[in-house]
Amino acid sequence: GAGVSQTPSNKVTEKGKYVELRCDPISGHTALYWYRQSLGQGPEFLIYFQGTGAADDSGLPNDRFFAVRPEGSVSTLKIQRTERGDSAVYLCASSSSGRRNEQFFGPGTRLTVL
Amino acid sequence: GDSVTQMEGPVTLSEEAFLTINCTYTATGYPSLFWYVQYPGEGLQLLLKATKADDKGSNKGFEATYRKETTSFHLEKGSVQVSDSAVYFCALSVGRGGADGLTFGKGTHLIIQP
Repeated sequence: GAGVSQTPSNKVTEKGKYVELRCDPISGHTALYWYRQSLGQGPEFLIYFQGTGAADDSGLPNDRFFAVRPEGSVSTLKIQRTERGDSAVYLCASSSSGRRNEQFFGPGTRLTVL
Repeated sequence: GDSVTQMEGPVTLSEEAFLTINCTYTATGYPSLFWYVQYPGEGLQLLLKATKADDKGSNKGFEATYRKETTSFHLEKGSVQVSDSAVYFCALSVGRGGADGLTFGKGTHLIIQP
């Protein structure tokens, strides 16, 4: 079956622009996670959805970052007024219920802010 | 806050050598512990996990035992193969209030030479 997919695979933007990153989870998975991975580092948790609601957004670094999951399936991570420090690989993961179940990761979107 | 510390890489071994990658953690509550692996050009995938003290996770010849007394979850394999070359991430999940975002270590790059 299809795994987690993320689009685009690569995104290059200029400082100050707005970007949207999309995640399609595995069908039927109710939990969805966003992580950010900087070069040479492990993934860093950003936000967790259970269904349509954000159950934990404590990892979002500031109010330029926002994520939605309006129908409980596809999610979009939105970054306003991008900065060079936002350059990283953004990973999405999904799991069947969230509570300590295996998270399946997508291939990531590599964001480069010039 | 919660954190994971794992040995710095790269770790270079010859084929059939014994492998240990150290991982220690700090967490409030009782975490579940995980090892994820990222093969070249692929996404993160779960290698093994343990959910309570003294549990042993195992997969593909790799093992790790949840040691609460030493707050450790070291990864071991008796005889490594070239195909084991990858980046290995130790991670934990505390699951407070239903939130299950993973906290990752920085990763250990393993290189197996024939």
